Amino acid sequence: AQSVTQLDSQVPVFEEAPVELRCNYSSSVSVYLFWYVQYPNQGLQLLLKYLSGSTLVKGINGFEAEFNKSQTSFHLRKPSVHISDTAEYFCAVVYSSASKIIFGSGTRLSIRP
Amino acid sequence: SQTIHQWPATLVQPVGSPLSLECTVEGTSNPNLYWYRQAAGRGLQLLFYSVGIGQISSEVPQNLSASRPQDRQFILSSKKLLLSDSGFYLCAWSTANQPQHFGDGTRLSIL
Repeated sequence: AQSVTQLDSQVPVFEEAPVELRCNYSSSVSVYLFWYVQYPNQGLQLLLKYLSGSTLVKGINGFEAEFNKSQTSFHLRKPSVHISDTAEYFCAVVYSSASKIIFGSGTRLSIRP
Repeated sequence: SQTIHQWPATLVQPVGSPLSLECTVEGTSNPNLYWYRQAAGRGLQLLFYSVGIGQISSEVPQNLSASRPQDRQFILSSKKLLLSDSGFYLCAWSTANQPQHFGDGTRLSIL
């Protein structure tokens, strides 16, 4: 079955530390991958997307993600986080065989000063 | 540029009352439209999606319904709200396999 897994429901990190939020999807021939950020009481905002081409994708707010086809992963990284990065992050995938986007369950990133 | 508007931003309704949440998209034609619900501390649950006027697909059985009377208008309704309908409702649009773009959401509280 087509699915997206975010292994960590919560990730606490100290300010200015690096962070990695993990995302794995079920294997498929062709996928489009996305990361969204949701600040409290707001809608989801697109952080970055992978459609094709370079496997390293850079997004807004200093985030980047790497598409790893062999490991079916699309982990999100930031080398140094800021208090303002406190939010929930959702990984999402569109399988080329389907027209719907599938969201992971989300990872809550909390930044400690 | 494309924009999506969702209203109201917050809503408090008594159990058993009707509901109507509206979502409109500007700057694009024939978008795919979506309604999601996000319960407290949980992920997104797709409720309905539409690929065209009058075409609605329901993902989960519930007492909610959706309608698309115009190309860029998507309405979420209920005749009688339940306590379990409380949550954060998000409307989104997309074209083809492009990423979805979300509205600011409606926080619905049922008393």
